Amino acid sequence: QKEVEQDPGPLSVPEGAIVSLNCTYSNSAFQYFMWYRQYSRKGPELLMYTYSSGNKEDGRFTAQVDKSSKYISLFIRDSQPSDSATYLCAMSAGDSWGKLQFGSGTQVVVTP
Amino acid sequence: NAGVTQTPKFQVLKTGQSMTLQCAQDMNHEYMSWYRQDPGMGLRLIHYSVGAGITDQGEVPNGYNVSRSTTEDFPLRLLSAAPSQTSVYFCASSYSPGGRTGELFFGEGSRLTVL
Repeated sequence: QKEVEQDPGPLSVPEGAIVSLNCTYSNSAFQYFMWYRQYSRKGPELLMYTYSSGNKEDGRFTAQVDKSSKYISLFIRDSQPSDSATYLCAMSAGDSWGKLQFGSGTQVVVTP
Repeated sequence: NAGVTQTPKFQVLKTGQSMTLQCAQDMNHEYMSWYRQDPGMGLRLIHYSVGAGITDQGEVPNGYNVSRSTTEDFPLRLLSAAPSQTSVYFCASSYSPGGRTGELFFGEGSRLTVL
């Protein structure tokens, strides 16, 4: 069983809708949580970064972490066609090198 | 600012051939790493380095070698290519704590096909 589970999608939404993405995990030691965005044939780029539980907002993006449920979410408000990409969650306990775990990614398509 | 630069972007190899994927960063990052990305598998760590002269294995190291002679460069060597190594390879770097906590800067990837 993977430590981090993520629905691969694709998730198709109309422009302006709210996109809701999530990941579940099994390792209770994880305390650093990230969302990366990856456009087609490009490298991932860090989108949101959260330490421990709670919410973090950056423009149209909101990241939520619920450590009690081992569940993290990313919300994209007022979605745009330029948000069409694959979104990967990632997490780390921060206690050792090379232990960052990625989800398999969810493909999002925002249609005009 | 170039960031993380990978070469080549595309490569086709025959089974048994060897090759080196190059990675260079200009951000003076101590931490560098190589990942492979396969459909449905996410990103998996191959090897990483926490500084010049220091390397260690990740989750899927078999069939790959690395060395780190300078801060800027971290080449990945395929010793004897196999079809199972067909994948997209990403180099990533970070300032030192980010290598533990996940704040990575990725290159654009190198697409490798092994026939």
